[in-house]
Amino acid sequence: DADVTQTPRNRITKTGKRIMLECSQTKGHDRMYWYRQDPGLGLRLIYYSFDVKDINKGEISDGYSVSRQAQAKFSLSLESAIPNQTALYFCATSDSGTGNYNEQFFGPGTRLTVL
Amino acid sequence: AQSVTQLDSQVPVFEEAPVELRCNYSSSVSVYLFWYVQYPNQGLQLLLKYLSGSTLVKGINGFEAEFNKSQTSFHLRKPSVHISDTAEYFCAVSDWGGNQFYFGTGTSLTVIP
Repeated sequence: DADVTQTPRNRITKTGKRIMLECSQTKGHDRMYWYRQDPGLGLRLIYYSFDVKDINKGEISDGYSVSRQAQAKFSLSLESAIPNQTALYFCATSDSGTGNYNEQFFGPGTRLTVL
Repeated sequence: AQSVTQLDSQVPVFEEAPVELRCNYSSSVSVYLFWYVQYPNQGLQLLLKYLSGSTLVKGINGFEAEFNKSQTSFHLRKPSVHISDTAEYFCAVSDWGGNQFYFGTGTSLTVIP
């Protein structure tokens, strides 16, 4: 099945460390997104990309950077992790080609803990 | 910009009873509306969506939602819930271009046997 995968699924790290979260998809979708989920705050958009050469900041991009290495891969980096970046991170995709670009497909999430 | 308000953070309901999860949005432009469900330790799955046309939208697992433009609401309903419906439910909006999505804070539905 075409899918959205995230690695790692769980990560514990220390303050100041550089962390990379990876997302891969076999859906052939052109659009990819990174969200973080915090209890009581729902999902908030960090970055999104509509193709390999297109990167856009979302609502809460400070402290994060992204790389779209290929249409199928979209990585999220925390250059110097801090405790308030402890959260559940989701990658999502959507497909503009079918005109159904409003429907997003989510990965299983990465639980990140920064000590 | 758009915003989404889910009025209830937690909704307990007995099995086989009806349930309504409320969602209101604000936007200066026309939007698309969605409900997603998140089961424990899983990602989000699309339940249903409103893009245009009939204001009553039917989704998976017996859920439906009604778009009310005058009240800027998109409430989710199910006439008879099951234990397996226990999950977190998120309302979301996007603009017509699908450029950004805005999610509500979520409603935790607990179905009591």
